Amino acid sequence: GDSVTQMEGPVTLSEEAFLTINCTYTATGYPSLFWYVQYPGEGLQLLLKATKADDKGSNKGFEATYRKETTSFHLEKGSVQVSDSAVYFCALRTSGGYQKVTFGTGTKLQVIP
Amino acid sequence: DGGITQSPKYLFRKEGQNVTLSCEQNLNHDAMYWYRQDPGQGLRLIYYSQIVNDFQKGDIAEGYSVSREKKESFPLTVTSAQKNPTAFYLCASSGIPGANVLTFGAGSRLTVL
Repeated sequence: GDSVTQMEGPVTLSEEAFLTINCTYTATGYPSLFWYVQYPGEGLQLLLKATKADDKGSNKGFEATYRKETTSFHLEKGSVQVSDSAVYFCALRTSGGYQKVTFGTGTKLQVIP
Repeated sequence: DGGITQSPKYLFRKEGQNVTLSCEQNLNHDAMYWYRQDPGQGLRLIYYSQIVNDFQKGDIAEGYSVSREKKESFPLTVTSAQKNPTAFYLCASSGIPGANVLTFGAGSRLTVL
């Protein structure tokens, strides 16, 4: 079945540091890939997405590139801020039929001043 | 503003009691979903509904029930048969066909005393 594997957290970084959160996936067909962010006590919000191989999703300084050859969708940001502290979820949606979304276990990011 | 409203935000229940969590959306979305979130386990799908008067079990439906009598509403009942109901519950919706993105509510935290 479909699965998403994320690096375990928590990840602690100083403000302005470079961020990478690794995400790899297993899926049949050609899934769409997503990063969602969850701030404390809230629901998830879409951060960025990519729907086909080599697409790059970007938003709020975050980027991720859909790499079909390595089945990866790593999240990066060049300079993190304290306000980026949250839990980040990688997810995939399979194509066709019922559009089930499979989530990774989430990676908690803490940015310290 | 369009969105998803979940209530209550916090709920306490005694063992053996059923409890119903409300989820209402004004996005005119056809599909709605219930997820359960536990620490370190990411999101797991409980039930989903693609249209009114139709719903399907997700990965962990045992001990839960739902109804979809109106497009806007998708309540979740946590029954006494659910052995470990303490969790954070998230409702989501998406427009179909061809929808990519889930929109989430702010969640309901259920604690069994």
